[in-house]
Amino acid sequence: DTGVSQNPRHKITKRGQNVTFRCDPISEHNRLYWYRQTLGQGPEFLTYFQNEAQLEKSRLLSDRFSAERPKGSFSTLEIQRTEQGDSAMYLCASINSGDGATYEQYFGPGTRLTVT
Amino acid sequence: DQQVKQNSPSLSVQEGRISILNCDYTNSMFDYFLWYKKYPAEGPTFLISISSIKDKNEDGRFTVFLNKSAKHLSLHIVPSQPGDSAVYFCAASGTNAGKSTFGDGTTLTVKP
Repeated sequence: DTGVSQNPRHKITKRGQNVTFRCDPISEHNRLYWYRQTLGQGPEFLTYFQNEAQLEKSRLLSDRFSAERPKGSFSTLEIQRTEQGDSAMYLCASINSGDGATYEQYFGPGTRLTVT
Repeated sequence: DQQVKQNSPSLSVQEGRISILNCDYTNSMFDYFLWYKKYPAEGPTFLISISSIKDKNEDGRFTVFLNKSAKHLSLHIVPSQPGDSAVYFCAASGTNAGKSTFGDGTTLTVKP
């Protein structure tokens, strides 16, 4: 299966702890996006990378959140000092933005974070 | 301010009938619109899209209509099937395939 994969699928953590999620995009895709989704809402943009460069960050991304894509392949999203309001589904998506590319994003299954 | 709105949280239709899902947007800079389908415990899956230079795009049972003057788009599913039951998200993107802005979704239930 060459789709987008995310690990872990579920994470339960105590308030104040740090967590890190990983996303492996489709191999030939140069752009990688992170979204957050809470119950009853659509995915909310957090940040995206083109290769290893972080091109845009949402104002929602507080300084407790950091994302990296060090070699332009997989990406990690870290949340420091987690709060209960961070409980959500974290989705990763990728596309190939080259010539002839479309805008459709390929999503992974998500990582569900529960902060207790 | 929510830039993409899906005002109907849910829709129920009979198998074989038409399903019409609606979406409104406010940002005139959006130039590409997409519909995604989501099943529980899975990520969204791309369904169909339309560029702002078109007013209709069709793919099998799915047709998306765009009315730029009204900043409105709709997804028609004909005929609806029980397997179409899912949450449908409308999304919009600006130039250069940057971030997408999503609506809050419409849960479609197709009854046998």
